[in-house]
Amino acid sequence: DVKVTQSSRYLVKRTGEKVFLECVQDMDHENMFWYRQDPGLGLRLIYFSYDVKMKEKGDIPEGYSVSREKKERFSLILESASTNQTSMYLCASTPGVGSYEQYFGPGTRLTVT
Amino acid sequence: KQEVTQIPAALSVPEGENLVLNCSFTDSAIYNLQWFRQDPGKGLTSLLLIQSSQREQTSGRLNASLDKSSGRSTLYIAASQPGDSATYLCAVTMDSNYQLIWGAGTKLIIKP
Repeated sequence: DVKVTQSSRYLVKRTGEKVFLECVQDMDHENMFWYRQDPGLGLRLIYFSYDVKMKEKGDIPEGYSVSREKKERFSLILESASTNQTSMYLCASTPGVGSYEQYFGPGTRLTVT
Repeated sequence: KQEVTQIPAALSVPEGENLVLNCSFTDSAIYNLQWFRQDPGKGLTSLLLIQSSQREQTSGRLNASLDKSSGRSTLYIAASQPGDSATYLCAVTMDSNYQLIWGAGTKLIIKP
């Protein structure tokens, strides 16, 4: 079974803090994605990566950055957390190479106070 | 710009009924379409993926159909059970870039 894990299920941070959310997949997948999910807005793509050290902006990259130093790990960084970044953050991966099924982690519910 | 719509936003049915969830998209040039399930406060689970060249996919009590020309997909759930209660989302890929465009989901409640 493909397993996508996220470093925390719940996280509470203060405004202005630097926040790291980590995602690890164990199936040698090529592609990894970070989404945020908010009531009424659905899932929105923040960043994605097709390969190690590669990253592409999604629909809402402002206020976020990412890092993919190893194939299995994709980190989302909030440089200076703000209250409007309170959300559910979901990581996903796909095998790539013509395989499109997305596998999701359990999510991290981040609250910024 | 592709838009994906799911109607209704919520649905409540008695246990045992067969039901259909709907997904529509505005641009028929999709690469594939996926149906996902999300339980409250949790991540998403992929249920079925239909390639643009396919008409349907089946997994157990679930059957997903795709009509590209009309911009519609349906997810049929047979003999519904309380454990089927969840939010169901559909998403399309427009080309080979692996990015998904999401519907807002249908929240399904199966009453015992």
